[in-house]
Amino acid sequence: GQSLEQPSEVTAVEGAIVQINCTYQTSGFYGLSWYQQHDGGAPTFLSYNALDGLEETGRFSSFLSRSDSYGYLLLQELQMKDSASYFCALGGDSWGKLQFGAGTQVVVTP
Amino acid sequence: DAGVTQSPTHLIKTRGQQVTLRCSPKSGHDTVSWYQQALGQGPQFIFQYYEEEERQRGNFPDRFSGHQFPNYSSELNVNALLLGDSALYLCASSLRSERGLYEQYFGPGTRLTVT
Repeated sequence: GQSLEQPSEVTAVEGAIVQINCTYQTSGFYGLSWYQQHDGGAPTFLSYNALDGLEETGRFSSFLSRSDSYGYLLLQELQMKDSASYFCALGGDSWGKLQFGAGTQVVVTP
Repeated sequence: DAGVTQSPTHLIKTRGQQVTLRCSPKSGHDTVSWYQQALGQGPQFIFQYYEEEERQRGNFPDRFSGHQFPNYSSELNVNALLLGDSALYLCASSLRSERGLYEQYFGPGTRLTVT
């Protein structure tokens, strides 16, 4: 089976940088995705890593190391609107079945 | 361009009843996945439909069933409701392509409360 672990909560001030780690155990997977979800809202796609290395999308970057069974999401120049839950998700098969972690609540303070 | 839509927004049912939730995928998408999200948890995969057939299924009992129509819209049915079925039910659509494997578009969800 598969399992993912990520911290439950991270607090940071506006303008700071936050790194959300995601460690996983799986026998095989296609890639690691990241989704953002505001309270009461739908998850929205942020980033995806199929290969090892860094993917940059604006203020957000994601990293994957298959050899270390580890990935992270980097949020730069934090803004108040970045306060939300962030989920890592393993893409486990060719049909796009996603297994989500429990989520990390990011709290941005003034 | 309409995104993923779901109906109803909220629903209250009694234990033992049956419920049907509906989803219309984003324009151009052909694959629909359903997820259950309990409060404070990540979404849990229920099943996925493509070409009107269930292609993948998560660890959910047979009380959970679904359907996809020729226009790609989908329904999720839950029979014999239990209190533990109370959750946010999310529909996600994607295109059957390499990118579609990981970039899924979620609807706003249906909040189901079982009393």
